[in-house]
Amino acid sequence: GAVVSQHPSRVICKSGTSVKIECRSLDFQATTMFWYRQFPKQSLMLMATSNEGSKATYEQGVEKDKFLINHASLTLSTLTVTSAHPEDSSFYICSAAASGGAVDTQYFGPGTRLTVL
Amino acid sequence: AQKVTQAQTEISVVEKEDVTLDCVYETRDTTYYLFWYKQPPSGELVFLIRRNSFDEQNEISGRYSWNFQKSTSSFNFTITASQVVDSAVYFCALSEVAGAGSYQLTFGKGTKLSVIP
Repeated sequence: GAVVSQHPSRVICKSGTSVKIECRSLDFQATTMFWYRQFPKQSLMLMATSNEGSKATYEQGVEKDKFLINHASLTLSTLTVTSAHPEDSSFYICSAAASGGAVDTQYFGPGTRLTVL
Repeated sequence: AQKVTQAQTEISVVEKEDVTLDCVYETRDTTYYLFWYKQPPSGELVFLIRRNSFDEQNEISGRYSWNFQKSTSSFNFTITASQVVDSAVYFCALSEVAGAGSYQLTFGKGTKLSVIP
């Protein structure tokens, strides 16, 4: 159990285009989903926390207009990188927690490697 | 502010050796949770263990064992009889209760373990 999928696993796009990444909890309902980015050989940096049916909470320094997050259902959250630039190239990972009202384990998706040319 | 320190950046061991990965944390919370995740070269974070602050009992799962010492704020991870498949980056993480009952993870910088055949 506790499987989280991400799609696509890898994407290459031109500068200025938008890219959408999907995160799905396959066998449980995720009240809360998290989006992280990870640069090579570095740790995970939390970008935003997303609760189903409400606006995402962004970490300091993360542009909410550039990284659009939608958590429309208990099994799906999407991250859209708008007008992507080469500096947005990174490994984006989502995680899902079963319950937002208690400290629950976060289960991670396999990640999406974004390369912006 | 919460902080997780993994002082060992990289460790190399020969197969079948035992290896301990260190994790030291800082928090002002009296209730908190500690986690270990494994990130193999494929990129996906694999959940290994979760421990709450009230449970200092050590845990063993196959070749893996964890030593939680509240007095020294440490949560160390030992792999016995290491195998090549154990080669990965291992992250220690600490939970923090953010607003509205949701929580966030603070990650250490990770320890890259290489097991040499």
